[in-house]
Amino acid sequence: DAKTTQPNSMESNEEEPVHLPCNHSTISGTDYIHWYRQLPSQGPEYVIHGLTSNVNNRMASLAIAEDRKSSTLILHRATLRDAAVYYCILRDMNAGNMLTFGGGTRLMVKP
Amino acid sequence: KAGVTQTPRYLIKTRGQQVTLSCSPISGHRSVSWYQQTPGQGLQFLFEYFSETQRNKGNFPGRFSGRQFSNSRSEMNVSTLELGDSALYLCASSKRESTNSPLHFGNGTRLTVT
Repeated sequence: DAKTTQPNSMESNEEEPVHLPCNHSTISGTDYIHWYRQLPSQGPEYVIHGLTSNVNNRMASLAIAEDRKSSTLILHRATLRDAAVYYCILRDMNAGNMLTFGGGTRLMVKP
Repeated sequence: KAGVTQTPRYLIKTRGQQVTLSCSPISGHRSVSWYQQTPGQGLQFLFEYFSETQRNKGNFPGRFSGRQFSNSRSEMNVSTLELGDSALYLCASSKRESTNSPLHFGNGTRLTVT
């Protein structure tokens, strides 16, 4: 499985934008880039996914490098409720629902 | 729309016993997958079921098994429990009409083996 590399932790101030990086240098052509987050005492929650083009939804934006070897999840205005572990996952379109989670990035949001 | 429901929320068992965990997917979702989360190993895939058939299996011993019923509800069973099986067990459902349907996770069953 192609692997992802994320910083262990990041800090942000409330109401400021947050850029969460992810490196995936061995990404293959059939891999989609997915982001999930896990709030304390909850199961993971889907955030966003993309293949080649940048994507936006109500929760976040996903910026994908032209060579697809890295991506960045952008939270436009962090709130205290965004404090969570964020997982960047490569999902092979041929692998069904078998996701390989790495360690993720623990985001701390300061008031 | 109700989310993924897992029961029970907490469970305490003794080494050597067996346990059955239950998962009710979101209505209309036909795929159910199971994950184990521990502090040391993180989130690891156990298995996936679709239309009552196991489609994928992770690298876990045969003590871990599962099944899916015709109403898409799923159960997983762990026999001969070991201390290392203490973990949060998460169930996720998806439509699986597209290989990129997002997974919707429940809040898990926390199993403690003593």
